[in-house]
Amino acid sequence: TQLLEQSPQFLSIQEGENLTVYCNSSSVFSSLQWYRQEPGEGPVLLVTVVTGGEVKKLKRLTFQFGDARKDSSLHITAAQPGDTGLYLCAGAGQNFVFGPGTRLSVLP
Amino acid sequence: DAGVTQSPTHLIKTRGQHVTLRCSPISGHKSVSWYQQVLGQGPQFIFQYYEKEERGRGNFPDRFSARQFPNYSSELNVNALLLGDSALYLCASSLVIWGYDGGYTFGSGTRLTVV
Repeated sequence: TQLLEQSPQFLSIQEGENLTVYCNSSSVFSSLQWYRQEPGEGPVLLVTVVTGGEVKKLKRLTFQFGDARKDSSLHITAAQPGDTGLYLCAGAGQNFVFGPGTRLSVLP
Repeated sequence: DAGVTQSPTHLIKTRGQHVTLRCSPISGHKSVSWYQQVLGQGPQFIFQYYEKEERGRGNFPDRFSARQFPNYSSELNVNALLLGDSALYLCASSLVIWGYDGGYTFGSGTRLTVV
């Protein structure tokens, strides 16, 4: 069974700070996706990474896929209160599995 | 273009009852997946359907079943409801299986409460 772990589980920071959240597995994934979920809503896709070592940028968000395609990171620069939410990574392999998420709170 | 629509949005059921949840995927999407999300956790995979055939099943009891119709809409059925079935049930659609084309589009979910 493929599993994804995410760290930290919770993160509370001040507006303007930088942060990095991590997604790790012992399994290789053909692709990995990051989603953001707000309360009462379904997850919204942020990015898909496919190639080992790939880096993608989405405004203040930078996503990296590990060389071995087993892990990924999400870096947010100058966090804003609107970034608050549950950040989920999900991997496509034998099935499609989600990590438990990192709950981010950005305080004004 | 309408996104993924799920109905109902909220539902309260009694232990032992049966429930049917419905999902309409984005037009043109042939794959529908169902996930259960318990409060504070990530979504757990229940079923994947592609072209009306079951292509994947998560670690859920046989009380959970699903089907996909010719128009690619889908139903998730849960029998003999337990308190632990209380969760947000999410439907996701994608163009191809497992969202390999670029990920899933999720509906807003059905909040099921079992009392």
